[in-house]
Amino acid sequence: SQKIEQNSEALNIQEGKTATLTCNYTNYSPAYLQWYRQDPGRGPVFLLLIRENEKEKRKERLKVTFDTTLKQSLFHITASQPADSATYLCALGTGGYQKVTFGTGTKLQVIP
Amino acid sequence: EAGVAQSPRYKIIEKRQSVAFWCNPISGHATLYWYQQILGQGPKLLIQFQNNGVVDDSQLPKDRFSAERLKGVDSTLKIQPAKLEDSAVYLCASMGTSGSDTQYFGPGTRLTVL
Repeated sequence: SQKIEQNSEALNIQEGKTATLTCNYTNYSPAYLQWYRQDPGRGPVFLLLIRENEKEKRKERLKVTFDTTLKQSLFHITASQPADSATYLCALGTGGYQKVTFGTGTKLQVIP
Repeated sequence: EAGVAQSPRYKIIEKRQSVAFWCNPISGHATLYWYQQILGQGPKLLIQFQNNGVVDDSQLPKDRFSAERLKGVDSTLKIQPAKLEDSAVYLCASMGTSGSDTQYFGPGTRLTVL
């Protein structure tokens, strides 16, 4: 069956450290993978997109890697800040008509 | 540019009652999505529209859920009758031109079914 797995356990890290979040998938062949941020009581906000032929993407303190052999994406936040505390969702672009399928999300808590 | 608008923000109903949610996407966005997000889970696609046509409604419980986007702009999602397990946040998202692949989400409607 198809699965998109993210760490269900919350991730707690110290301010200033690098946070690394994982997204693993099975039985998908995504054309691209996205990461979104979701704060309590709000809708998800798009952060980064990486396509199947790309290995790495960066935006300011954010970095995403995409390994289609391992079927895994890693999402890094460097020099983390308490304001980075939120739930982070990965989403796979799974076919035509701009359809994405979301993972369950990982809650990140950055401790001052 | 205005974002995706949704109303109401909160709704509490008794089981077996009906409820409707409204979404106004970003101007010019042809693709509109309705998602259901149960607490602690990721958004689950219910229905996807391209202009006023349905692209994907494979996960929409059609015996009780319906959605329309009559003029290819705003959309309504209805539940009739509601069940306890429908308690969730209902998110609307829109996407612009092909190739952008970025969804813009509204704030969601939190539904509680008692």
